[in-house]
Amino acid sequence: RKEVEQDPGPFNVPEGATVAFNCTYSNSASQSFFWYRQDCRKEPKLLMSVYSSGNEDGRFTAQLNRASQYISLLIRDSKLSDSATYLCVPDTGRRALTFGSGTRLQVQP
Amino acid sequence: DTAVSQTPKYLVTQMGNDKSIKCEQNLGHDTMYWYKQDSKKFLKIMFSYNNKELIINETVPNRFSPKSPDKAHLNLHINSLELGDSAVYFCASSPGTSGRWEQYFGPGTRLTVT
Repeated sequence: RKEVEQDPGPFNVPEGATVAFNCTYSNSASQSFFWYRQDCRKEPKLLMSVYSSGNEDGRFTAQLNRASQYISLLIRDSKLSDSATYLCVPDTGRRALTFGSGTRLQVQP
Repeated sequence: DTAVSQTPKYLVTQMGNDKSIKCEQNLGHDTMYWYKQDSKKFLKIMFSYNNKELIINETVPNRFSPKSPDKAHLNLHINSLELGDSAVYFCASSPGTSGRWEQYFGPGTRLTVT
C-alpha cells in the first residue's frame, strides 16, 4: 500500500477560487508532514510543515486529521502563480522523504 | 544567497562517458541527499549523507558514486553512462538537528544521455 494517496487531478479552478486537496496516509505512526509544491521542470519547494493539528501561512491552511489519517491543504483566493503540483510528504525523520505523484492544480484566468 | 546550488544545470553526454554533478549548500545543514526524477515524475532517493557519513544507499547501480568532501558538499559521479540514466537529478539538504527534517532542494541537473 502506498505511503500517501493523492488525487492526481488536475484541479482546474478560476482565479480567486478556494480549492482544497486531501491526502490520505497509511502509516498511523506518522506524526508530521510537509506540503511541497513543484512547478513544471523545477525543484520541489517547501510550502509548509505540519507538526500538530494544522498550520496556516497566508492564503494556505493545512489541517491534519489523525483519526481519519488524512491531511488537507486549503488555498484561498487562488492566483495564477499557484498553478503547480502539490505534494503531501510524511516526515520520516532522518530517512529520505517519499514523494508520490502529487495533485496538479491549474488556476485559470 | 543561493541556499542549495547544483552544477551543471544541464548536461548532455554520450553513452559510456563518465560525468560528475556537484552540489553545495550554504544553510549549515548536516544532512544532504541525492534524488532522481525520471520521466514518470516520481522523485526517488538515491543517497543520503549526514555530516560526511553515508547513511542511505538505495538500490542504485554501483556506477553511481557519491562523495562528500565536507558537510556542505555532496557530489555525484556517474561512470559508464547509459540511456536510462537520463533524468533530472536533485540535491537536497536538511537541518537534521532538533527534530527538523524538512528538505530544501537545489534547482536540479537535467542529464540527457544520447
